[in-house]
Amino acid sequence: KQEVTQIPAALSVPEGENLVLNCSFTDSAIYNLQWFRQDPGKGLTSLLLIQSSQREQTSGRLNASLDKSSGRSTLYIAASQPGDSATYLCAVSGNFNKFYFGSGTKLNVKP
Amino acid sequence: GAVVSQHPSRVICKSGTSVKIECRSLDFQATTMFWYRQFPKKSLMLMATSNEGSKATYEQGVEKDKFLINHASLTLSTLTVTSAHPEDSSFYICSASDTSSSSYEQYFGPGTRLTVT
Repeated sequence: KQEVTQIPAALSVPEGENLVLNCSFTDSAIYNLQWFRQDPGKGLTSLLLIQSSQREQTSGRLNASLDKSSGRSTLYIAASQPGDSATYLCAVSGNFNKFYFGSGTKLNVKP
Repeated sequence: GAVVSQHPSRVICKSGTSVKIECRSLDFQATTMFWYRQFPKKSLMLMATSNEGSKATYEQGVEKDKFLINHASLTLSTLTVTSAHPEDSSFYICSASDTSSSSYEQYFGPGTRLTVT
């Protein structure tokens, strides 16, 4: 069964810093990898989707990379802002389009 | 972009009653939808795959008689928590992907917070 791990579990940085969130998965036979943001008590907001044939995706200050063979992905956030504070979830999809989620990284960007 | 809605967003019910949660794809058709639950400060756990016109597929450890899933149309799946107990209190989220799209991107609903008293 696919297992997804995210490191670190929590991260606190001053405003303006660049940061990297890590995600690893045990089964490299994936279709997609998707990064989400979740605010407290809320649903999921999709940030970036990387298909298995792709290496990276960018949206604004966010850049996500995928190394399928080693089972890793990183989410890079440039020039962090207090509004970026949230929990970031990594999820991978495999057979039958099921998604398996990591436990998340709780990010706090201090003003 | 594609939108998935859930209703209700929040529900409180008494122990022993049943609660129905709806998941709708608003601007696309979804042959398959997925139901997840999230415990406080934990990640999402896949419960079941909802298949339009056929029986749902449940993940190991999820009671199918407890969590009834119906996917009667290409835009609607329902999850009914039967004889709810306090331990069923959780955040339930559904997702769907556009049947006509090749990307398999999942679109998630805003979630339903269930509290069983």
